[in-house]
Amino acid sequence: EIVLTQSPGTLSLSPGERATLSCRASQSVAKSYIAWYQQKPGQAPRLLIYGASSRATGIPDRFSGSGSGTDFTLTINRLEPEDFAVFYCQQYGSSPLTFGGGTKVEIK
Amino acid sequence: QVQLQESGPGLVKPSGTLSLTCAVSGGSMRGSNWWSWVRQPPGKGLEWIGEILHSGKTNYNPSLKSRVTISVDESKNQFSLRLTSVAAADTAVYYCAREGGSQLGYFETWGQGAPVTVAS
Repeated sequence: EIVLTQSPGTLSLSPGERATLSCRASQSVAKSYIAWYQQKPGQAPRLLIYGASSRATGIPDRFSGSGSGTDFTLTINRLEPEDFAVFYCQQYGSSPLTFGGGTKVEIK
Repeated sequence: QVQLQESGPGLVKPSGTLSLTCAVSGGSMRGSNWWSWVRQPPGKGLEWIGEILHSGKTNYNPSLKSRVTISVDESKNQFSLRLTSVAAADTAVYYCAREGGSQLGYFETWGQGAPVTVAS
């Protein structure tokens, strides 16, 4: 099973700043099959990125993903008030599908 | 666009069986998409439970495989989760989701979630 470790646990930033979130895998993720999700309180997760760097339908271009092998990054440029939430990475390169523990992006 | 809606009892007794259904609207379950169940204990992260194709083919998380059954009813355009011998650790919000890509994919569409509490 691939274990995903997200860091930092919490990121305190102001609107307009850039957020850089890390997701490290315990072994190489096949084909860079990494997805990123945003979850707000009381809501289901929302798909942001798949295939490490492809934005899902309707996702603003301030969200971008990168990485390969075991190290992946989600970058949010110019944070908007609605971006503050918890973010999860997920690998789908091998079974079982697994998620990271999440990074909370909070308003500073 | 496709929408998913979970339904089922919100309270299950310990050692009992948890049963949930996910109704799919705005599209057919037929096709190449796989359909999954994911759960989230209160205040914690996400755990994949398993997936099913419209034909009935399934894949399960080994950590739950001995207790889980996912089934599909094509005529009703819905799929279901059955989890046996539940304990307090199974208390969670249960989400159904449509996967993108092929089997063992990412989750492109989610239901709103069904909270389930295991308690006597």
